[in-house]
Amino acid sequence: EVQLVQSGAEVKKPGESLKISCKGSGYSFTIYWIGWVRQMPGKGLEWMGIIYPGDSDTRYSPSFQGQVTISTDKSISTAYLQWSSLKASDTAMYYCARAYYDVLTGYLYFEYWGQGTLVTVSS
Amino acid sequence: QSALTQPASVSGSPGQSITISCTGTSSDVAGYNYVSWYQQHPGKAPKLMIYDVSNRPSGVPNRFSGSKSGNTASLTISGLQAEDEADYYCSSYASSSTLMVFGGGTKLTVL
Repeated sequence: EVQLVQSGAEVKKPGESLKISCKGSGYSFTIYWIGWVRQMPGKGLEWMGIIYPGDSDTRYSPSFQGQVTISTDKSISTAYLQWSSLKASDTAMYYCARAYYDVLTGYLYFEYWGQGTLVTVSS
Repeated sequence: QSALTQPASVSGSPGQSITISCTGTSSDVAGYNYVSWYQQHPGKAPKLMIYDVSNRPSGVPNRFSGSKSGNTASLTISGLQAEDEADYYCSSYASSSTLMVFGGGTKLTVL
């Protein structure tokens, strides 16, 4: 059974850094893309970026390029989403998800989802 | 890239059929058979319901079906059940740089 287990809720102050995690199990972690999706309070879904754990090839949504960093540690089947300086507007639920991504066509969708990590940024 | 356009809400009675539309442009929905649909119950993670316009992942009931005509994709739920009450999001390939775009979401109420 494919499972993605995310780290717990975080409360941070503006300007602080943060790294949240997503551990995959039940499948071969290195051969599937894994990505992150943001959902702001009461709002819809926004894809942020995806990474291929096998070689760390990363693609970012233009909306999030330069705002966050996505990485993996394939030795522990874990993906990360990182901020260097949080803003109040980063307050949201963040989901990791195993992705289907065709490099040739660019077709992307998310097959399996983690339970979400709530990030609250407030002074 | 603008989000795909979905109705804010739809409703139906148990046993009925409903259809949720997802309108894009020639650059996304109309141009490719790369549409997927997600179901999200309140306080829960999204779940993939449809991919490749009309394919269902294993375990998704065949009451859920997808289709596309021109720049509009559709999700149809037949034999509506109380458990189908949720938010539904469509997504589509958008471009080589944007990759994908989501719709704004539709709240389905089962009366």
